[in-house]
Amino acid sequence: AQSVTQLDSHVSVSEGTPVLLRCNYSSSYSPSLFWYVQHPNKGLQLLLKYTSAATLVKGINGFEAEFKKSETSFHLTKPSAHMSDAAEYFCVVTQNRDDKIIFGKGTRLHILP
Amino acid sequence: DAGVIQSPRHEVTEMGQEVTLRCKPISGHNSLFWYRQTMMRGLELLIYFNNNVPIDDSGMPEDRFSAKMPNASFSTLKIQPSEPRDSAVYFCASSRGLENTEAFFGQGTRLTVV
Repeated sequence: AQSVTQLDSHVSVSEGTPVLLRCNYSSSYSPSLFWYVQHPNKGLQLLLKYTSAATLVKGINGFEAEFKKSETSFHLTKPSAHMSDAAEYFCVVTQNRDDKIIFGKGTRLHILP
Repeated sequence: DAGVIQSPRHEVTEMGQEVTLRCKPISGHNSLFWYRQTMMRGLELLIYFNNNVPIDDSGMPEDRFSAKMPNASFSTLKIQPSEPRDSAVYFCASSRGLENTEAFFGQGTRLTVV
């Protein structure tokens, strides 16, 4: 069975400092991994995805994530936070075996001025 | 393409009433998903369809919830009777249903049951 765990429900960083949002997954088959962002009162938007190609994946708005199979992790990072990054972030896993998409509980990112 | 379209955007109803949420997936997408989002539980997968057939409905909370997909361009999620604890944002998403493809989400329906 597949599952995904986002280790922090809330993360606060100051503007201009690095962002780290943690995600661990489990999957019986080769997983695909995604990060989605949800701004207040908006739908979900894809940030980036890993699909068994390069382990370091670059996404929109300066975000990137590294797939580490040995650690079963797919943490999201950004070198320098911006106020507009304040949102909720969801780590998502799917298995290549079926179409089921499983979301983590989400991490709310707060940006301090 | 207009993306995934959900209606209504907001619904306020009284406890005990029937509620129907609607979704039009992106044309050509074979998989459709219904999610519920609450503060307590985050995003929960309720049910998903592939080629109009329900594949996994284990996330449907109870018999009061039902979902249908009569054709490739339309799906409904029905709650009957509704209860205050059903208040949440309900998202519909669709994907091409192939490996490694992303899901595209609608804007959601905010349901309030009073």
